[in-house]
Amino acid sequence: KAGVTQTPRYLIKTRGQQVTLSCSPISGHRSVSWYQQTPGQGLQFLFEYFSETQRNKGNFPGRFSGRQFSNSRSEMNVSTLELGDSALYLCASSRDRGQYYGYTFGSGTRLTVV
Amino acid sequence: DQQVKQNSPSLSVQEGRISILNCDYTNSMFDYFLWYKKYPAEGPTFLISISSIKDKNEDGRFTVFLNKSAKHLSLHIVPSQPGDSAVYFCAASAALSGAGSYQLTFGKGTKLSVIP
Repeated sequence: KAGVTQTPRYLIKTRGQQVTLSCSPISGHRSVSWYQQTPGQGLQFLFEYFSETQRNKGNFPGRFSGRQFSNSRSEMNVSTLELGDSALYLCASSRDRGQYYGYTFGSGTRLTVV
Repeated sequence: DQQVKQNSPSLSVQEGRISILNCDYTNSMFDYFLWYKKYPAEGPTFLISISSIKDKNEDGRFTVFLNKSAKHLSLHIVPSQPGDSAVYFCAASAALSGAGSYQLTFGKGTKLSVIP
């Protein structure tokens, strides 16, 4: 079966711009989570969506937002980009009890802010 | 405050020997622990998980041990193979009360190199 698909794979943006990243979960998975990976902070939780509702949010500023559509596809948006937003953004999907069965991650979107 | 710690940034092991990756945590509310493997330019791949009510879980060459009193878990890989060379992340899951949501808190990873 198809895995978690993230697009685009690479992005270069300028400070102050905004960006939208997309994630298509595994078919049947209704939970989609987003994580940011940087060399200094490691993998950090951004937010989780389930059935089009944000259920949980990590400790990130309001410039980071997301949404989920009725087909479970999710987008995350970062406005007013800063150099420190350069990171690998990972999306993970799961069925119920993802903490037991494991969350399936996509390959990520590498965002570079210049 | 780092709630999940992997104190060894790297580990080298001979092929065929045992690899032991360690992880410590501080939050008593964690109820599941997971291990992920990550190759460069790919997302993390789920390996194995363990509930906080168990002390051992096995899946093929991978065994995870949990010592709740010490807030410590370890992943054993036996025998180690060159294809196991990757970064291994320990993660812990805690339920967000009332929301049915879980989030993963990750350690910073241990790079395992299996030498042929």
